[in-house]
Amino acid sequence: NAGVTQTPKFQVLKTGQSMTLQCAQDMNHEYMSWYRQDPGMGLRLIHYSVGAGITDQGEVPNGYNVSRSTTEDFPLRLLSAAPSQTSVYFCASSKQSRPIYYYGYTFGSGTRLTVV
Amino acid sequence: KNEVEQSPQNLTAQEGEFITINCSYSVGISALHWLQQHPGGGIVSLFMLSSGKKKHGRLIATINIQEKHSSLHITASHPRDSAVYICAVIPNSGGGADGLTFGKGTHLIIQP
Repeated sequence: NAGVTQTPKFQVLKTGQSMTLQCAQDMNHEYMSWYRQDPGMGLRLIHYSVGAGITDQGEVPNGYNVSRSTTEDFPLRLLSAAPSQTSVYFCASSKQSRPIYYYGYTFGSGTRLTVV
Repeated sequence: KNEVEQSPQNLTAQEGEFITINCSYSVGISALHWLQQHPGGGIVSLFMLSSGKKKHGRLIATINIQEKHSSLHITASHPRDSAVYICAVIPNSGGGADGLTFGKGTHLIIQP
């Protein structure tokens, strides 16, 4: 019963490098999302998906791409890393996107990314 | 714009104390989440509530929809309760793209 699995847990990138943060869930959840968490701020939504083949932007999408080719996987791509993308990233999933208040969220353990 | 304010931002208490963390919001909501984030760890959903009160072990969450306020209480606090507690609301108007607006969190430390 793995839940939501994020890899890697830690990563250091140089400015301009690209990388992919992996997120996988084994609960057959339709809804998946990526958040970033910065000191002194609440979680902010980057991108989300309501099902395979469907993605949309959240509050802070610039500099990030996503795709949802399968129900299980929702990778987050940084195309050209910038120091402003230094953050902790969380992937989350839910059985359905609405009503979230009924189904709730399952979060991954996070990826701590540093861009130097 | 919906604002979610948590207080206090930081709280240090002694083991055994009764802890209260508050969450206030500015618009009508359909539900509210309390989440727990352990140091270096992931985020766990503690409660979802839209009215009244819920209890799980030593944790109690209450909500007053009319006053736009929720509280999370911890009885007989223990060092393992040390974590960041996050309030998130689902506004009636839709909120963010995923329907959630998050507070900045309350950093709780319970000293032995």
